[in-house]
Amino acid sequence: QSVLTQAPSASGTPGQSVTISCSGGSSNLGSNTVNWYQQLPGAAPKLLIYNNNQRPSGVPDRFSGSKSGTSASLAISGLQSEDEADYYCASWDVTLKGFWVFGGGTKLTVL
Amino acid sequence: QVRLQQSGAGLLKPSETLSLTCAVYGGSFSGYYWSWIRQSPGKGLEWIGEINHSGSTKYIPSLMSRVTISLDPSKNQFSLRLNSVTAADTAVYYCARGYNSQSSGIPGHWGQGTLVTVSS
Repeated sequence: QSVLTQAPSASGTPGQSVTISCSGGSSNLGSNTVNWYQQLPGAAPKLLIYNNNQRPSGVPDRFSGSKSGTSASLAISGLQSEDEADYYCASWDVTLKGFWVFGGGTKLTVL
Repeated sequence: QVRLQQSGAGLLKPSETLSLTCAVYGGSFSGYYWSWIRQSPGKGLEWIGEINHSGSTKYIPSLMSRVTISLDPSKNQFSLRLNSVTAADTAVYYCARGYNSQSSGIPGHWGQGTLVTVSS
């Protein structure tokens, strides 16, 4: 059971827009920013969005992020076949000494 | 560009100690947080803990009694030890470094991952 909640799957056709959601609580998303990771099959996770809406260099602007209260979203526009991957949200939880928490992941299928 | 290269044993018996090392190429230890994260087969990501350049550590509460993360700047590497492993510790283990100086705690650069299997 992951601390952050994500829908297990999402899908879209090439060119469409897709939104992946992440829900948390007051000790994580309610207190800190959200980061998003993309994990292609057989590969290590890759930082996709950090601090709610910042893109590391090299990440296409088709990917965007937002956060409001204890919920966050990752939006992907102009869906491409190579976007088919698992997407994870993450946030720092301030409970006890603090620790990173992740969502359970959303598997995006490009139909 | 920083690169993280992991090494360590991939097959353990129950009750043994997991030991992994992450060698760092192309970057400094100062000012960053260094994390270990694992992913059980077919499951999501679980943060294990982190260490900063000063040697201060934080661990996830559920593993705190069994885990140690250490840093060796002279060898440009940091390590994970997890005692008394069970089958539930079977996972791909990743090391990671903070993304950049402004976001030094966000795991932004990852190693290739090491599959550790615990089986008798």
